[in-house]
Amino acid sequence: EAGVAQSPRYKIIEKRQSVAFWCNPISGHATLYWYQQILGQGPKLLIQFQNNGVVDDSQLPKDRFSAERLKGVDSTLKIQPAKLEDSAVYLCASSLRTGDNEQFFGPGTRLTVL
Amino acid sequence: GENVEQHPSTLSVQEGDSAVIKCTYSDSASNYFPWYKQELGKGPQLIIDIRSNVGEKKDQRIAVTLNKTAKHFSLHITETQPEDSAVYFCAASSANTGGFKTIFGAGTRLFVKA
Repeated sequence: EAGVAQSPRYKIIEKRQSVAFWCNPISGHATLYWYQQILGQGPKLLIQFQNNGVVDDSQLPKDRFSAERLKGVDSTLKIQPAKLEDSAVYLCASSLRTGDNEQFFGPGTRLTVL
Repeated sequence: GENVEQHPSTLSVQEGDSAVIKCTYSDSASNYFPWYKQELGKGPQLIIDIRSNVGEKKDQRIAVTLNKTAKHFSLHITETQPEDSAVYFCAASSANTGGFKTIFGAGTRLFVKA
């Protein structure tokens, strides 16, 4: 079974530029999550989708971050414009359904904002 | 808001010794407690989990205990091996208006010395 795929793996941009990350979850997984992991910290949820609907985006900085999951499969996370403090690893995870069950994480995209 | 505290932040043990990582959570509604292992350059991977109706769970060299009254849960690794060296995250999950929210601890970096 293929795992969660993410691209790119690394991205370096200058502040005020825009960037987009892509995630392909495990086939059949209804729930998709985007996390931000700052160096030395645990993952922090940015947004959670159930199929193509948003379940929780309370921690998403909506003035600069946006995410979509068209057709309930792949998802993209965008930052526009980027700030220095956005430097982090962006992790995508998926689970069979929302609730108390295992989340499968992708390898992440390491973003550096200069 | 809800939070999960994790201790210690760094743990160094000799190969063959035991390692214990402790977490406390604030949201009394939390009912699912997963533990993840993260190796360098990879996403977190679930190693064991426990639900609120169980006090202890064991899987080979790994065990987790839960004290709901005290809001404490712990990870125990026995007979540690060099390949156990990684960052370990505890998490607490609870239902919210849209589904389930998972809060991660800050992580424990475990070094197992051969």
